[in-house]
Amino acid sequence: EVHLVESGGVVVQPGGSLRLSCAASGFTFDDYAMHWVRQAPGKGLEWVSLISWDGGSTYYADSVKGRFTISRDNSKNSLYLQMNSLRAEDTALYYCAKDIGGNGPFDYWGQGTLVTVSS
Amino acid sequence: DIQMTQSPSSLSASVGDRVTITCRASQGISNYLAWYQQKPGKVPKLLIYAASTLQSGVPSRFSGSGSGADFTLTISSLQPEDVATYYCQKYNSAPFTFGPGTKVDIK
Repeated sequence: EVHLVESGGVVVQPGGSLRLSCAASGFTFDDYAMHWVRQAPGKGLEWVSLISWDGGSTYYADSVKGRFTISRDNSKNSLYLQMNSLRAEDTALYYCAKDIGGNGPFDYWGQGTLVTVSS
Repeated sequence: DIQMTQSPSSLSASVGDRVTITCRASQGISNYLAWYQQKPGKVPKLLIYAASTLQSGVPSRFSGSGSGADFTLTISSLQPEDVATYYCQKYNSAPFTFGPGTKVDIK
């Protein structure tokens, strides 16, 4: 059974940094691209970032480009999101999600980790 | 970037009703369109991909259609457990933009 477990969400001050992690199990991690998606409180879903199966290609939403960095460690079945220069509008529940294959939609999601940016 | 819109933003229907939600892309995306269901307080769930392919385990009352820029999600007979917000998503290329969502509840 596929499991995705995010961690690292905390309350952080504006301008601060944070690294989120996602531990994956139940599938061959290095066969699939992975994504981060966020959802601000009471709002809709916003795609944040994609990393290819081997980490060789990465993509970002314009709202986070230059501030966030996605990475993965296939030896540890783990996905990461380094978040710098955090803003109040980055406050959200951050989900990691597994790509269905071939940069397709997302067939499995974690439960999310809450990031709150506030002074 | 391609923008995604959905209509209506919310709807209320009776149990057993046929419900249709529309999603429109600002440019053609072929059939690279997915639908997700998010029940209150829960994680999003993939319902349909490639515009009309039902994800494994999804009830057959859900169906999708469309190609190019206009797509629809249909629930043939609304059930109480279908109360949720439904999102479309393009995935032909990054950014993998979601629509704003359609909230469905029971009248």
